[in-house]
Amino acid sequence: AQSVTQLGSHVSVSEGALVLLRCNYSSSVPPYLFWYVQYPNQGLQLLLKYTSAATLVKGINGFEAEFKKSETSFHLTKPSAHMSDAAEYFCAFTGGGNKLTFGTGTQLKVEL
Amino acid sequence: DTGVSQDPRHKITKRGQNVTFRCDPISEHNRLYWYRQTLGQGPEFLTYFQNEAQLEKSRLLSDRFSAERPKGSFSTLEIQRTEQGDSAMYLCASSLRRTGGDSPLHFGNGTRLTVT
Repeated sequence: AQSVTQLGSHVSVSEGALVLLRCNYSSSVPPYLFWYVQYPNQGLQLLLKYTSAATLVKGINGFEAEFKKSETSFHLTKPSAHMSDAAEYFCAFTGGGNKLTFGTGTQLKVEL
Repeated sequence: DTGVSQDPRHKITKRGQNVTFRCDPISEHNRLYWYRQTLGQGPEFLTYFQNEAQLEKSRLLSDRFSAERPKGSFSTLEIQRTEQGDSAMYLCASSLRRTGGDSPLHFGNGTRLTVT
């Protein structure tokens, strides 16, 4: 079965600290991987996507993610957290097409 | 690009009532998706359309659920005889299917359904 697993339902960092949100996937086909962010009572906004062109993907708001096939991972990072980064983050997978399978999400809290 | 619009934003209904939600996708997008998101979970795929054709339905979409996209533009999702377990955020998304790959999904802000 194809799936994504997000490790840690809640992550807390200090403002200015490194953000690391973990995502592992399981797939029998080459994956397309995405990170979305969701603010309270809003829809999802695409942060970045991996479509096999480059293993290090840069997204909006200073986020980036690295695809590591050997580790079946696609972790999301940001060098320096900002208060406005507090939100819920979802990793998503598709084997092609746009029918996405989402992880259960990671709530990011940024503290002063 | 005015974004994906969903109406209403919130709906409270009593168990057993029917509800209908509307989604207006980005105008040039030919694909439209419905997802459901319950508290503490990621969105789950329900169904999608390419133009007016409904191409796939999830097993989550029981026979009480029906979705339409009659003219290939806006879509409606109807739930008949609502149950408390239907309480969730219903998200609509759209994308452009084109040669060489699809554009990413653009999501609306969702309709939050509460069944009492």
